[in-house]
Amino acid sequence: DAGITQSPRHKVTETGTPVTLRCHQTENHRYMYWYRQDPGHGLRLIHYSYGVKDTDKGEVSDGYSVSRSKTEDFLLTLESATSSQTSVYFCAISESTTSGRVDEQFFGPGTRLTVL
Amino acid sequence: GQNIDQPTEMTATEGAIVQINCTYQTSGFNGLFWYQQHAGEAPTFLSYNVLDGLEEKGRFSSFLSRSKGYSYLLLKELQMKDSASYLCAVISGSARQLTFGSGTQLTVLP
Repeated sequence: DAGITQSPRHKVTETGTPVTLRCHQTENHRYMYWYRQDPGHGLRLIHYSYGVKDTDKGEVSDGYSVSRSKTEDFLLTLESATSSQTSVYFCAISESTTSGRVDEQFFGPGTRLTVL
Repeated sequence: GQNIDQPTEMTATEGAIVQINCTYQTSGFNGLFWYQQHAGEAPTFLSYNVLDGLEEKGRFSSFLSRSKGYSYLLLKELQMKDSASYLCAVISGSARQLTFGSGTQLTVLP
């Protein structure tokens, strides 16, 4: 299994508070991604990174920011949590290759966030 | 934009064969993935198609037709442990972003 951990695994917070989720990898993979998963919507991309300090927005980036200061860590921050951000958050990693084949994304165990 | 459709639910019997379809309309296409996700767990990789045709891997096969924007996942000799959600995802963009369908919940009955 790819070495990906997420912390915390569960969090309950109140509306308006800041929240930071951490994704840590030991695979030295270049690409890292944050998704949220909600019933009826599947997995939706929030932000992604293609290298240290290189990040970009995904499909549902409003209300979220990210930072990647080291290859192994990708942080997702909710500046002021809202109830609509209650979800399961997954981090994923992948590597680029020169073979032309696109490598699959490996997913972390997920963080269940509840905003009251 | 991206639009990926797959059935919400399917039911099949242990030992049978089931086909899960996925249709997509995307701007930019670099391949299609199938993932399996058991309840409460992370998605795990099943298959990858970039060229037209069938990719076989044990009991699982995946087919792609790029001209039709269509893929299917074929599961043979179904087992109870195959009860899970199956996610179709299209890859695009320079950072290999994935766009997922909503998933197909497969229930295998004894």
